[in-house]
Amino acid sequence: DAGVIQSPRHEVTEMGQEVTLRCKPISGHDYLFWYRQTMMRGLELLIYFNNNVPIDDSGMPEDRFSAKMPNASFSTLKIQPSEPRDSAVYFCASSLIGYSTFTDTQYFGPGTRLTVL
Amino acid sequence: TQLLEQSPQFLSIQEGENLTVYCNSSSVFSSLQWYRQEPGEGPVLLVTVVTGGEVKKLKRLTFQFGDARKDSSLHITAAQPGDTGLYLCAGRLTSNTGKLIFGQGTTLQVKP
Repeated sequence: DAGVIQSPRHEVTEMGQEVTLRCKPISGHDYLFWYRQTMMRGLELLIYFNNNVPIDDSGMPEDRFSAKMPNASFSTLKIQPSEPRDSAVYFCASSLIGYSTFTDTQYFGPGTRLTVL
Repeated sequence: TQLLEQSPQFLSIQEGENLTVYCNSSSVFSSLQWYRQEPGEGPVLLVTVVTGGEVKKLKRLTFQFGDARKDSSLHITAAQPGDTGLYLCAGRLTSNTGKLIFGQGTTLQVKP
C-alpha cells in the first residue's frame, strides 16, 4: 500500500512568489496533519484536519499561509507571498485515530524541501 | 520555550556503547510517542506509551514513561551504526485531541 505522497519533493522559488505544496494521505485515514521542520524550531504542527474539516490551525504562522482539504484524498498548503524565512521542510502526515484512546500512528510523507531566495 | 525538552541535543558515540535520551516536561501527557527520522525522510513511529511507569522494549531499545507521565526516556543498548538518526519524542496533552507536540529531537551518530 502506498504511503503518504507529497509533491513536489523540492521547491526553489523567489521571495514574493506563491508556493503550493500537495499531499495525498493514506487511503482510509481520517486525520491529516501539516508540519514544518527547521533546525531552529524543530517539528511544528501547522494545522490538522479531521474528515476534511480543519480542527486546529493555531500553528499557522500568519495569513500568508492557508491550507485546504477539498476531499479525503488530497490536501494543499499554500504560501502567498513566500518569504525567505519560510524556507524549511514541510511534512504531511495522516492517521486513523481510534475512538478509545488517541494512541494512533501518524504516517509521515517524505517531505517537501522549500527554499525561498 | 519547548513544552517537551529533549536532552542531549546531539550525541556521537562508538558502536557497542549504551546511551540514554531524555524527554522532559512540566506538563502531564495522556500518551507519549517516540519517532526516528533518517535524513531525507519523514519520522517513523517506534513506540507509544500510555501508562505512568510503563516500560516497553523493542529489541535493543527500551522506552520508559515516567510515573507522573511528565517525562520519558529511550535507552539503547550496544548501539549500532544503523541506529544513527534523529530521535523525536511527541506527546498528547489530552486523550481527545489529534494534536501531537514534538520535542526538538536528539541527533544520534553511531560510529563504526
